[in-house]
Amino acid sequence: EDQVTQSPEALRLQEGESSSLNCSYTVSGLRGLFWYRQDPGKGPEFLFTLYSAGEEKEKERLKATLTKKESFLHITAPKPEDSATYLCAVVANYGGSQGNLIFGKGTKLSVKP
Amino acid sequence: DGGITQSPKYLFRKEGQNVTLSCEQNLNHDAMYWYRQDPGQGLRLIYYSQIVNDFQKGDIAEGYSVSREKKESFPLTVTSAQKNPTAFYLCASQVPGANVLTFGAGSRLTVL
Repeated sequence: EDQVTQSPEALRLQEGESSSLNCSYTVSGLRGLFWYRQDPGKGPEFLFTLYSAGEEKEKERLKATLTKKESFLHITAPKPEDSATYLCAVVANYGGSQGNLIFGKGTKLSVKP
Repeated sequence: DGGITQSPKYLFRKEGQNVTLSCEQNLNHDAMYWYRQDPGQGLRLIYYSQIVNDFQKGDIAEGYSVSREKKESFPLTVTSAQKNPTAFYLCASQVPGANVLTFGAGSRLTVL
């Protein structure tokens, strides 16, 4: 069964305190891993797509990396405006979502000034 | 600006009533999706449509119905058969040639 597990569920950081969010996945034949940011009461916003192990993508203070079993979202020197829930998703190969994205439960990041 | 418009933002419903959530896009995307989001759970796929006049069930389609009569519109009806309809509903469309989704702002349905 295709599965996406994100950890931790919640993360509290001080402004400037760098850290990483984890997304582990089990899917036969990865066809893409996706990171989204979701602010409270809003729809998710696309951040990155990664396709193969070793691939990295960067955007401002965020850097996403991919291995054969997991992806990390590294946040360098975060600011309060980085506070949000970060969602990870992969393309499913089975079930009702076959060919579509299945999402993890997300990591809620809070950055305090 | 191109995007996805969902309405209403908030909706209250009595038990036994059907309600319809609107989703309109002006991105000229062929594929559209409905997801449900509950606290502490990932987004779950309800229905999706790859092209006008065609749609498929996702993982949790029971108690829901959709139509796709126009490319721009993909309304979702939450029927009285849905056992636990209180949730945040998200509509999305897919960027052509990629699995990247563009989401609307969501509709929060509360059953009283």
